[in-house]
Order: sequence, then C-alpha cells, then structure tokens
Amino acid sequence: DIQMTQSPSSLSASVGDRVTITCRASQSISNYLNWYQQTPGKVPKLLISAASRLEGGVPSRFGGGGSGREFTLTISSLQPEDFATYYCQQSFSGASFGQGTKVQI
Amino acid sequence: DVQLLESGGGLVQPGGSLSLSCAASGFTFRSYALNWVRQAPGKGLEWVSAIGNDGSTYYADSVKGRFTISRDNSRTTVFLQMTSLRAEDTALYYCTFGSSSGWAFDYWGLGTVVTVSS
Repeated sequence: DIQMTQSPSSLSASVGDRVTITCRASQSISNYLNWYQQTPGKVPKLLISAASRLEGGVPSRFGGGGSGREFTLTISSLQPEDFATYYCQQSFSGASFGQGTKVQI
Repeated sequence: DVQLLESGGGLVQPGGSLSLSCAASGFTFRSYALNWVRQAPGKGLEWVSAIGNDGSTYYADSVKGRFTISRDNSRTTVFLQMTSLRAEDTALYYCTFGSSSGWAFDYWGLGTVVTVSS
C-alpha cells in the first residue's frame, strides 16, 4: 500500500495568511493526488484533483502543485471559512489518505 | 441531483457482522465505480473498498478477507458486507464516487455509523 504523510499535522494561522500544506507519498504517484477539505460535522469536499486541477466552484485562492512524491496545497489568503481539516489522497494505486492537517486560528 | 443514501449501521458486538447499503440516484449508476470510506470518531479518512463498473473489487489491507463489496445495478445500490468486526472498525462509513476520475471523490453520502462494542 502507498502511505501518504502530511505536514504539519496542525497549524495556527490568521485571516489573510498564506498557508502551505505538504503531502509526501511513500512512492512515486505521478500526479494522482487529490485534496479535500472537511469542516466539523460535514462531509469531505473535493478541492483539487490531479495535483493541480481546481474543482468547479472552488475559490482561486486554493492552489495545488507537485508531482512524483511531493505535493503542496497552498491557500494564498486564508479566509474565515477556510479553517478546516485538509486531506491529501493518492489515486495512483487504489486510494489512501494522508492523516490530515488541521488549520486553526 | 446526485444522491447517495447509506443505511444499515448500528451497534454490533466484536466478532459480529453487519451489512451496509448505499442507495444511489441522479446519475448513471452502472457507469461508475463506487467506494466506501470511513472515519473513526475524531480521526481522519480511511479508504475501505471500491467496486468498479465492471464489478472488479478492491480492499484496504485492514479489511481484506473480512469485508465484501458488491453492487446491484438494477437497484442502483452498493453494499458492504462486514464480518469479524473489531473495535477499530467503529466509524462513520461514507459511500462516495468520482464523477470525472474514478478515484477523486466529488460526491459523498452523509454516512452511516457503525459501532463495534460489547
């Protein structure tokens, strides 16, 4: 199985901050990497697929990059509704998620 | 509108069995792979199992040999038969699928809760 490791596990930030979350795969997964956002009590929401493709309706302040084993999710200017937990997920071989990164005030 | 409605969760003793269902509507069910993803209380997301539109099946190592996924295209329903349940299987179980890429999940149900406890 492919293991996904996110860093950091949590971070504190303020509105307007630029935030970057890193996701590393235990082997190369090309660009088969997706990002999700989950707020408490809600179902996960797909933000980015194929490492950098923004899903419809997702604000342009979200961006994804990387390939191979290392990937990033960047929020260019954090908004109040962005305080949530973010998960990366590889879709190269089956599916597996990172442990999550909680973005909090 | 796409809808995924999970059911079948409940309280079961360790070693017991439970069968989950996910009734789907609003899309061409037979054309898509369906997945189960779970989330233990206060924990992260864990992919559990998938079934392709051709009936091929995939499982996480943690459930292989204990869980069986199946689908009934005539009833637009996917099932997860769970046996030899353990405390660590306690979670909210989501039904999900990807409408563009089979493994990028853009549609999710609200989930059904499975509690394994004596």
